[in-house]
Amino acid sequence: DQQVKQNSPSLSVQEGRISILNCDYTNSMFDYFLWYKKYPAEGPTFLISISSIKDKNEDGRFTVFLNKSAKHLSLHIVPSQPGDSAVYFCAARGSSNTGKLIFGQGTTLQVKP
Amino acid sequence: DAGITQSPRHKVTETGTPVTLRCHQTENHRYMYWYRQDPGHGLRLIHYSYGVKDTDKGEVSDGYSVSRSKTEDFLLTLESATSSQTSVYFCAISEHGEPSYEQYFGPGTRLTVT
Repeated sequence: DQQVKQNSPSLSVQEGRISILNCDYTNSMFDYFLWYKKYPAEGPTFLISISSIKDKNEDGRFTVFLNKSAKHLSLHIVPSQPGDSAVYFCAARGSSNTGKLIFGQGTTLQVKP
Repeated sequence: DAGITQSPRHKVTETGTPVTLRCHQTENHRYMYWYRQDPGHGLRLIHYSYGVKDTDKGEVSDGYSVSRSKTEDFLLTLESATSSQTSVYFCAISEHGEPSYEQYFGPGTRLTVT
């Protein structure tokens, strides 16, 4: 039972264009959402997050949108750069007491020069 | 970067042998986590710790045990490794010693069970 789903295994975009990565969740009790980026042979690195009381959070080229009614969040990268090529994981916080995170399957982004 | 190291970084072992992976942090954070990453599954929580000698199970804990005798070290043990435990294992810590929102990950251990 996958509570956090990233239905697109891969995405390819041209440098300078917008990349949109999507994530769906099933548990309405999730109160915090995060995006991580992962390069090969490295650990995931935190990218950006959003609280369930907000619908948008922006940090430089990265913006996360949350649609609670649809149980959907998305990560926008504008403009996309070749260095953004990586696997992106969305995660939801399942418990405020333990900080346990539930991750999606990941989406591989390729940004072509 | 958070001070997290994992050892070994790569290991090949045979089915039925015990294996211990180590996570070491220099941040004095209270919360530590072990995940495994597999294609099509993302990262799945194995066990976590909320203090010295305080641990609990995650979603895929069968076949794994953990120990935390010091704040800085969190050990993951496969008592009798199976081929299904071939995976990449990541340790993570929570910032500021609280189960706050962001977790910071180590570089990973690639384990192959033959």
